[in-house]
Amino acid sequence: GDSVTQTEGLVTLTEGLPVMLNCTYQSTYSPFLFWYVQHLNEAPKLLLKSFTDNKRPEHQGFHATLHKSSSSFHLQKSSAQLSDSALYYCASLYGNEKITFGAGTKLTIKP
Amino acid sequence: EAAVTQSPRSKVAVTGGKVTLSCHQTNNHDYMYWYRQDTGHGLRLIHYSYVADSTEKGDIPDGYKASRPSQENFSLILELASLSQTAVYFCASSDAQGSNERLFFGHGTKLSVL
Repeated sequence: GDSVTQTEGLVTLTEGLPVMLNCTYQSTYSPFLFWYVQHLNEAPKLLLKSFTDNKRPEHQGFHATLHKSSSSFHLQKSSAQLSDSALYYCASLYGNEKITFGAGTKLTIKP
Repeated sequence: EAAVTQSPRSKVAVTGGKVTLSCHQTNNHDYMYWYRQDTGHGLRLIHYSYVADSTEKGDIPDGYKASRPSQENFSLILELASLSQTAVYFCASSDAQGSNERLFFGHGTKLSVL
C-alpha cells in the first residue's frame, strides 16, 4: 500500500554543517508530502508542505523538493543550528485519505 | 494559533483497567484525530472523526474506542488497558481535507500501563 519511508532513525551532526533528512514515498498516485517537526516536550507542528506547482517550500531555513522521478521529498538545510535538534516526521496524503506518517528521524545537533 | 488541549498530560494505569483520554479544541475544526507515538513506528492513526456523534477507524483501532460528543471534544477510550498500549498519545484537529490539510496537535498524553 501507500507508505512513507524515513531510512534514518537517528542523525547526529555538528553545528554549521548541512542537513539532509531522507524521505521517500511509495504510491501509485502523486501524493502531497509534508514535514512535521517535534521539539522536546512540545507538540508536533507543520514545517513544510509540498506544492502542486513544483515550487520549493521553505521555512525557517529548511527546504524540500518533491522529485517525482525518485519518489522523494528530502528535507535540507544549508547550516545546522543547535535549535534544529528535534524529531522530524515526513508524511504523505493521497486524495481524500488520511495523512500517513513515517517512522521519524531524531536529529541531534552538537556544538 | 490553533489550540488543542489534552488531559491528562500523563497517566499510570493498571492492566485491565479502563482509561479515558480527553481532547478539547477551540479551533472550530470539523476533523479530529487520535494518534499514538512509538519509537520506530512514528505516529499511527487510531481513530478519527469528521463530525460530532460519528467516529471512524484509523490504521490501528484494535483495543481502542473513540467518542465525539461535540465538535470540540474527542475522547479515546481503552476499555481493558494492556501493557502494549503504553505509549504517548496525540490528539489533533484540522479544518480541511486534501491538499490543504494541516494538523494541529495537542501536547500529548504519556500513558504507562503497568
